[in-house]
Amino acid sequence: KAGVTQTPRYLIKTRGQQVTLSCSPISGHRSVSWYQQTPGQGLQFLFEYFSETQRNKGNFPGRFSGRQFSNSRSEMNVSTLELGDSALYLCASNEFPAGVSYNEQFFGPGTRLTVL
Amino acid sequence: DAKTTQPNSMESNEEEPVHLPCNHSTISGTDYIHWYRQLPSQGPEYVIHGLTSNVNNRMASLAIAEDRKSSTLILHRATLRDAAVYYCILRVLYSGGGADGLTFGKGTHLIIQP
Repeated sequence: KAGVTQTPRYLIKTRGQQVTLSCSPISGHRSVSWYQQTPGQGLQFLFEYFSETQRNKGNFPGRFSGRQFSNSRSEMNVSTLELGDSALYLCASNEFPAGVSYNEQFFGPGTRLTVL
Repeated sequence: DAKTTQPNSMESNEEEPVHLPCNHSTISGTDYIHWYRQLPSQGPEYVIHGLTSNVNNRMASLAIAEDRKSSTLILHRATLRDAAVYYCILRVLYSGGGADGLTFGKGTHLIIQP
């Protein structure tokens, strides 16, 4: 089975721009969670989608949004980029919604976003 | 999620066992103990999890204290490929409800010397 894939792997944007990141979960997985990882804050939860519905959201401003398609692929969008949005954005997939069953998350390699 | 405390870094020699400690004194009865690791330039990878009893899998062993206030991840024979940041996380297993995402602390940076 192919693992979680994320595209693009690297991205450079300037302040004020917007960006869309993509995540394809493991085949058969319907839950996709997004995380932001920075050296200072560590890994922080953004939101989780299951069967095209957002189930939970972390403490991030409304500039961060996401969606999930019927094939379980998910996109994350950040509008009006700020310098502090520079981070590694990770997505993770699971067969079940977060908090159910063994809750093992399968992570992708991440997208490294640099905001100049 | 309840808080965990881990040493910032640990060093070990190749082919020797490694014991990575984690304190979680505020753990509740429904919290599962999970371990993930993150190799350089990769996303986190699940290692092992447990509730009360010690657990073994192909990657590692998890030893849980009787009072569950601490646990230890054991790598039986460390290799250079085990050099990574190891995260200890507590997760509540809900029954059908939603849950917050995983909350990773700073973790322990494991250095393996050849």
